[in-house]
Parts: sequence; structure tokens; C-alpha cells
Amino acid sequence: AQSVTQLGSHVSVSEGALVLLRCNYSSSVPPYLFWYVQYPNQGLQLLLKYTSAATLVKGINGFEAEFKKSETSFHLTKPSAHMSDAAEYFCAAQIQGAQKLVFGQGTRLTINP
Amino acid sequence: DAGITQSPRHKVTETGTPVTLRCHQTENHRYMYWYRQDPGHGLRLIHYSYGVKDTDKGEVSDGYSVSRSKTEDFLLTLESATSSQTSVYFCAINPSASSYNEQFFGPGTRLTVL
Repeated sequence: AQSVTQLGSHVSVSEGALVLLRCNYSSSVPPYLFWYVQYPNQGLQLLLKYTSAATLVKGINGFEAEFKKSETSFHLTKPSAHMSDAAEYFCAAQIQGAQKLVFGQGTRLTINP
Repeated sequence: DAGITQSPRHKVTETGTPVTLRCHQTENHRYMYWYRQDPGHGLRLIHYSYGVKDTDKGEVSDGYSVSRSKTEDFLLTLESATSSQTSVYFCAINPSASSYNEQFFGPGTRLTVL
């Protein structure tokens, strides 16, 4: 079965530092991949998605992610962290042809001033 | 704004009582989903629907049932609530006509079962 693993349940970075949140998927056929962000007491908001068109995907709020088939990874990055980036981030995968998403466990990002 | 509302937003109930959560959308999208969110587990799919009266189970469907008698409403029912069903419940829709499943989420319902 498809699974998604996010390495690190908590990540802490300083304001202005690089943000790197890790996501690996398990299927042999590359799925569609998504990153979502959740601010406190809110629902999830789509950051970006990979749908086979390009391996480097740019999203909202300065985030981007790179799909690497050889590593079965879809890590999320942002060159310079801002205090407003503090939130929980979820990676999700969709097996092509299936109308369901499988989510990772989530990574809580803390930004230190 | 994907036009998704959930009601109630908060509920406290007692073990053994029935509970129904409602998800309402304004855009007549075909696909709707119910998830639960628990620390350390991310979001887990409970049930989903691909049309009126068409539903299917997700990975954690035991103890839950759903109904969709109208396109705009997707109801989640806990027939006899248990403390293990204390969670935050999210509804989502897929508004896309394409093959990839870009989902949009409601604000959530926090359910506490005492």
C-alpha cells in the first residue's frame, strides 16, 4: 500500500535560515504529490503539487519542492524562513488513477527569532 | 475559498451517544471526503463519496458511517461514540475535473467524547 513518511515530527530553524522539510513516498510508480500547510486552529491549505509536468515545483509563500524519483522523495524548501511560516506541514500522495490521498504524519515547523 | 462549511465546529458528547457531523459545500463538486486528524498520525481517511449515494470506505472506517443524499451535503455519523473517536474531523472536496486529486479542506470539527 502507498505510504508517505515525513522525517522529523518537529523542525526548528532560525528566522532567515533555510527551511527543509523531508517527505518520502513508497510506491514504485511515481504518484502525484502535494504539500499542505496548517496554521493553528485552521484547515489545511495547499502549498504546491507535483503532477509530472516539472520536477521542481514552486508554490505559495516562497516554498518549492523537488521531485526525485531515484530517491522517492519530495522535500519542501524555502531559502529564508519567516516567523509567519510557523505551522504544521503535511506531505500527501495520490496513486495515479485513485481519487484518494495518503498523508504523512506531519512536521511542525518552529521559527526562532 | 472553496465554499466548505462544517457543523458543529465544536462538540462535547458522552460515550455511547450518537453524533452526526455535517459538511456542506456550495459548488456541487462530485468528490467529498472525511478525515480525522490525530497527533502523530497526520490525516487519515474515514470515508469518501464520489456522488449522491455513492460512498466508499477509507483506512479508518470502523465505527463510522456516512450518507450523501444531496450533492452539497456529506454527513458523518458515529453511531455510538467512544473515547477513541475524540479527534478533529476535517471534510474536504476535490473540485478538479483533472486526474489529480487536489483537495480543499473545511475548517474542521473538534469532537470530544467523555
